[in-house]
Amino acid sequence: ETVLTQSPGTLSLSPGERATLSCRASQSVTSSLLAWYQQKPGQAPRLLIYGASRRAIGIPDRFSGSGSGTDFTLTISRLEPEDFAVYYCQQYVRSPPAYTFGQGTKLEIK
Amino acid sequence: EVSLVESGGGLVQPGGSLRISCVASGFPLRIDWMHWVRQAPGKGLVWVSSINGYGSNTRYVDSVKGRFTISRDNAEDTVHLEMNSLRAEDTAVYYCVKDGGFGNFDVWGQGILVTVSS
Repeated sequence: ETVLTQSPGTLSLSPGERATLSCRASQSVTSSLLAWYQQKPGQAPRLLIYGASRRAIGIPDRFSGSGSGTDFTLTISRLEPEDFAVYYCQQYVRSPPAYTFGQGTKLEIK
Repeated sequence: EVSLVESGGGLVQPGGSLRISCVASGFPLRIDWMHWVRQAPGKGLVWVSSINGYGSNTRYVDSVKGRFTISRDNAEDTVHLEMNSLRAEDTAVYYCVKDGGFGNFDVWGQGILVTVSS
């Protein structure tokens, strides 16, 4: 079973700053099957990035994803107040079929 | 507008059963894989179960195998999750989720709370 480990657990930044969130897999992940989500308190998660680097519909271009193999990154180029939330990475493995989430990174206002 | 609305949650005793449902609108349900993802209070996201467009292929996380059954009624644009032998650790918000086509989840319901407690 592939385990996704996100770091840091909590990231404290100010609006306008750049955020870099990491997702490391215990074994190589197919890039096309790696996604990122944003979840705000009391809300359902929202798909941000799929295929490691493709923005979902309606996602601002300040959000970008990169990486391959075992190391993936979500970057928010310039933080807006509404970006402070919890972020999860997620992967899909075809055999045996399973969907796995990282434990999440909380992005909080400094 | 594409949306998913869950129903049927509530309080159930350990060992009991509950069925939660999800109604889709704005897209033809029969085309897509559909999933259930849960989130225990204050915890992260966990995939629970999936079903293909025809209802002929189902998948489950190991912790619910033999206890939960996913099904769908495409004529009613509805997906169900039948949960039996419920345990305290099944307490969570359950989200109905649409498959995005790349092993991701592109549309989420608002979630429904299932509480297993005596």
